[in-house]
Amino acid sequence: DVKVTQSSRYLVKRTGEKVFLECVQDMDHENMFWYRQDPGLGLRLIYFSYDVKMKEKGDIPEGYSVSREKKERFSLILESASTNQTSMYLCASSSGDWGVPNYGYTFGSGTRLTVV
Amino acid sequence: GDSVTQMEGPVTLSEEAFLTINCTYTATGYPSLFWYVQYPGEGLQLLLKATKADDKGSNKGFEATYRKETTSFHLEKGSVQVSDSAVYFCALTKEAGTYKYIFGTGTRLKVLA
Repeated sequence: DVKVTQSSRYLVKRTGEKVFLECVQDMDHENMFWYRQDPGLGLRLIYFSYDVKMKEKGDIPEGYSVSREKKERFSLILESASTNQTSMYLCASSSGDWGVPNYGYTFGSGTRLTVV
Repeated sequence: GDSVTQMEGPVTLSEEAFLTINCTYTATGYPSLFWYVQYPGEGLQLLLKATKADDKGSNKGFEATYRKETTSFHLEKGSVQVSDSAVYFCALTKEAGTYKYIFGTGTRLKVLA
């Protein structure tokens, strides 16, 4: 069964800490994504990557960075966590080449991060 | 810009009732359209998709038809079950030049026994 695995289901961190959220996929997908999900706002794209070492900013990249050193792993980094980054974080992956319709994401189960 | 609009929730139905969750979109070109479902405590799962006008996506008794003339992709199910209680997200992605999805804000469905 294909999988996107997020390393933690729940995290509690202190303001100012550097936080790493890890995501691993076993489908050999080229594309990986980080979203945050907030009530009333739906899903908002933070960063995505379409190849190893490649990254693109999404709609809300401020306060975040990412790393993709290997094809299967995409990490989201909160450089200095703040309370307004308390949220559900969802990782996703997909196949598809540039110019070809994207046929759907596979999502991880999410990491609920609380910054206190 | 491109956008997806879903009906406000929560939608509360009795078991075996008919379900419609409305979704309309604004997009240039020829987007692909999707419905995702999120069960409590889990990530999103692809429920169904349609990649061109008049296509009907279907899965687990749910259906949605890509209507280009009304820019809609409404989700329907003839007889809901308690286990269908979840949040449903409509989404689109463009044919070329982007990997990004645009999601609606989600509609929570509660089905009562």
